[in-house]
Amino acid sequence: QKEVEQNSGPLSVPEGAIASLNCTYSDRGSQSFFWYRQYSGKSPELIMSIYSNGDKEDGRFTAQLNKASQYVSLLIRDSQPSDSATYLCAVSLYGNNRLAFGKGNQVVVIP
Amino acid sequence: DTGVSQDPRHKITKRGQNVTFRCDPISEHNRLYWYRQTLGQGPEFLTYFQNEAQLEKSRLLSDRFSAERPKGSFSTLEIQRTEQGDSAMYLCASPTEAFFGQGTRLTVV
Repeated sequence: QKEVEQNSGPLSVPEGAIASLNCTYSDRGSQSFFWYRQYSGKSPELIMSIYSNGDKEDGRFTAQLNKASQYVSLLIRDSQPSDSATYLCAVSLYGNNRLAFGKGNQVVVIP
Repeated sequence: DTGVSQDPRHKITKRGQNVTFRCDPISEHNRLYWYRQTLGQGPEFLTYFQNEAQLEKSRLLSDRFSAERPKGSFSTLEIQRTEQGDSAMYLCASPTEAFFGQGTRLTVV
């Protein structure tokens, strides 16, 4: 079982719509959860972090965490063409000094 | 700009050659991380320093790989006898993974 899974294929959304991304993780002891945005050829950029169950909003981004079900999601409201990128989910593993990343989900916002 | 500089940005090398990458945090943060990202995958942890001490190494870090952080400031990652499978983006982060550098893209031909 992979530590972090992002199984959805590329996501195409019309401009102005909501993009929804999901991520599951295997380590029940994980305490910290992150979403990164990565443009093609660039390094990952941290956009959201969440540590407790529930929703956390930052501008057009909302992260949702459900520790009982071991999933994290990211909503992008009012999607813009500049949101077209790969989104990486990352989890801080209990007792480890590192993050485990999912393979990422590509989002394409269609004008 | 995260303040973490990596050099070079791109490196093309022939199989079997040695390469060295450098990472410079903006200031002497005590923690520094190296990750590797291959095409279509998320970053994978390689190693972690606290000051000059290398505290954790991934099994991905074979004996051809060595990382150093002299004096707890900049860090270097060396790959000896490069193989085509080493082609990847090598990412440095300091003091946490919230601050990745621009990365070094290695292509082994």
